[in-house]
Amino acid sequence: DAGVIQSPRHEVTEMGQEVTLRCKPISGHNSLFWYRQTMMRGLELLIYFNNNVPIDDSGMPEDRFSAKMPNASFSTLKIQPSEPRDSAVYFCASTRTGLNQPQHFGDGTRLSIL
Amino acid sequence: RKEVEQDPGPFNVPEGATVAFNCTYSNSASQSFFWYRQDCRKEPKLLMSVYSSGNEDGRFTAQLNRASQYISLLIRDSKLSDSATYLCVVNRGSGNTPLVFGKGTRLSVIA
Repeated sequence: DAGVIQSPRHEVTEMGQEVTLRCKPISGHNSLFWYRQTMMRGLELLIYFNNNVPIDDSGMPEDRFSAKMPNASFSTLKIQPSEPRDSAVYFCASTRTGLNQPQHFGDGTRLSIL
Repeated sequence: RKEVEQDPGPFNVPEGATVAFNCTYSNSASQSFFWYRQDCRKEPKLLMSVYSSGNEDGRFTAQLNRASQYISLLIRDSKLSDSATYLCVVNRGSGNTPLVFGKGTRLSVIA
């Protein structure tokens, strides 16, 4: 079975540029999560969707960050304009809604803003 | 108090040793508990769920103490391949709520 698929795997860009990260959740999973991981802060939840609807975006650091889920099989996380402090690994995870359901992670996007 | 707290380690143990990790969580309404494993430069992967009665999966044993809001993971007969960061994971509250990840405990198993 295909797992969560993220693209790109690596992104290096200059500050001020727009960055778009993409995620395809596991088929049949109806919850999708975007995380950011750094050494200092660990794994932070940015935003999550249930049935394509954003439920909680309180973890999104600033207005420069936005996320969409236009359908059940695709989500994007966009940073515009990007800044060096946005450099991190961004993970997407998906799960079935319900108690005791673990999340399954994609390989992550390693983002470096110069 | 942090939602999920773990000793960051590192724990450096010889092959064959038994090692235990602990984790505390702050929300008494939490109902779902997991241990994840994360290798260097990789994504977190589910190691095992943690059930109220405690559960075992091969060399790994997980236990939950709801009264103390405490979760543990015991690894017996450590292998070199067990070297990784172990993340304690708890859901944010009752029902269908997001998971909160601890910062992890780093384990190095040494030959």
